Amino acid sequence: GESVGLHLPTLSVQEGDNSIINCAYSNSASDYFIWYKQESGKGPQFIIDIRSNMDKRQGQRVTVLLNKTVKHLSLQIAATQPGDSAVYFCAENISGGTSYGKLTFGQGTILTVHP
Amino acid sequence: GAVVSQHPSWVICKSGTSVKIECRSLDFQATTMFWYRQFPKQSLMLMATSNEGSKATYEQGVEKDKFLINHASLTLSTLTVTSAHPEDSSFYICSAIGQLNTGELFFGEGSRLTVL
Repeated sequence: GESVGLHLPTLSVQEGDNSIINCAYSNSASDYFIWYKQESGKGPQFIIDIRSNMDKRQGQRVTVLLNKTVKHLSLQIAATQPGDSAVYFCAENISGGTSYGKLTFGQGTILTVHP
Repeated sequence: GAVVSQHPSWVICKSGTSVKIECRSLDFQATTMFWYRQFPKQSLMLMATSNEGSKATYEQGVEKDKFLINHASLTLSTLTVTSAHPEDSSFYICSAIGQLNTGELFFGEGSRLTVL
């Protein structure tokens, strides 16, 4: 059930700044990682993914970094815009066998971009 | 791109009644779908894996008799919350993959359930 008093980490930035959102994952066997954006009342929206044989991947205005040694992911958003304001989740998965698609989500970070 | 549709997007029901939520893949065949639950200000938690033509696989702590899942076709999975209670009020989200281990994951827009 709901945990009373639970607060998501927050990040507030000015429009145009770069944003960095961090995530620690738990399972050393995970080999596929995804970042999602979730706006209020909507489902998760895919941003970018990375597999464990890579340590960096770039998309349009976004970059994901993976550090398997310390089980850490980060999402960098360049030139952050007000439309980027949302909750951001990392998700981990074991892509082989029957586990593919069964995502374990991180706690999420609220990003607020001020004009 | 592929679209996963959920219906209804929001529903209010009385305590003790049952509610069915549909998850449809609109332009691809989804052999496997997943159901997640998200309480306010929390993350998504996987409830179960729905496989076309076979029984769903439930995560630990999820009551299979309370959350009935049916995946009768390659484009439709349903989640029925039986004898709903206020603590079942949540955001229920499905996702789907087309091909095992290689298909992209697609999420629905979620269904908000409020039990009075």
